[in-house]
Amino acid sequence: GAVVSQHPSRVICKSGTSVKIECRSLDFQATTMFWYRQFPKQSLMLMATSNEGSKATYEQGVEKDKFLINHASLTLSTLTVTSAHPEDSSFYICSARFPGQGLHEQFFGPGTRLTVL
Amino acid sequence: SQKIEQNSEALNIQEGKTATLTCNYTNYSPAYLQWYRQDPGRGPVFLLLIRENEKEKRKERLKVTFDTTLKQSLFHITASQPADSATYLCAPARGSGYSTLTFGKGTMLLVSP
Repeated sequence: GAVVSQHPSRVICKSGTSVKIECRSLDFQATTMFWYRQFPKQSLMLMATSNEGSKATYEQGVEKDKFLINHASLTLSTLTVTSAHPEDSSFYICSARFPGQGLHEQFFGPGTRLTVL
Repeated sequence: SQKIEQNSEALNIQEGKTATLTCNYTNYSPAYLQWYRQDPGRGPVFLLLIRENEKEKRKERLKVTFDTTLKQSLFHITASQPADSATYLCAPARGSGYSTLTFGKGTMLLVSP
């Protein structure tokens, strides 16, 4: 199946700083990428859906000015957590959907563990 | 609001037995439902998709059923192995077509030798 990578796998930052997380599709061009957040023992919560070349669609309750998403190419999407605070500490996971690859199936990245001190 | 319920308690079974995990959903009618496996500290991995007009789907040792009347999906692993130990997530589509998914909290399966 398709491979999706994320970088970095872990990041620790100070409160008030910004952190950028990259999500890349390695084998195929992704039509759509998704960003999720997962707190311990909780479900994956969809934050936003992004299509290449257009603005991301954010879920209700997700601040678009705090979580900046850029999907500049068919193989790269970035999530920037701006002015991070301890409550933003979480596991951030991206996924991608590829045309012709099982239509509805999403391929997930390995996740990025963000810790804000 | 849309709600997905999976057994929050871990399921402990012995190797070789069949594991059955339950997913119930309320307040919507997904056109399809997916099951994913998630290992600790990793992203989910797709296992199976079943559509609303399909009652059952199989893939090797995995079987999924989808009862749209009961609003329930069952996920079975036959001849379970310790390597099957993981958290299994149910993800009904929000709608039809290329829809976004809503994930349950998952059920942890522990298969002992």
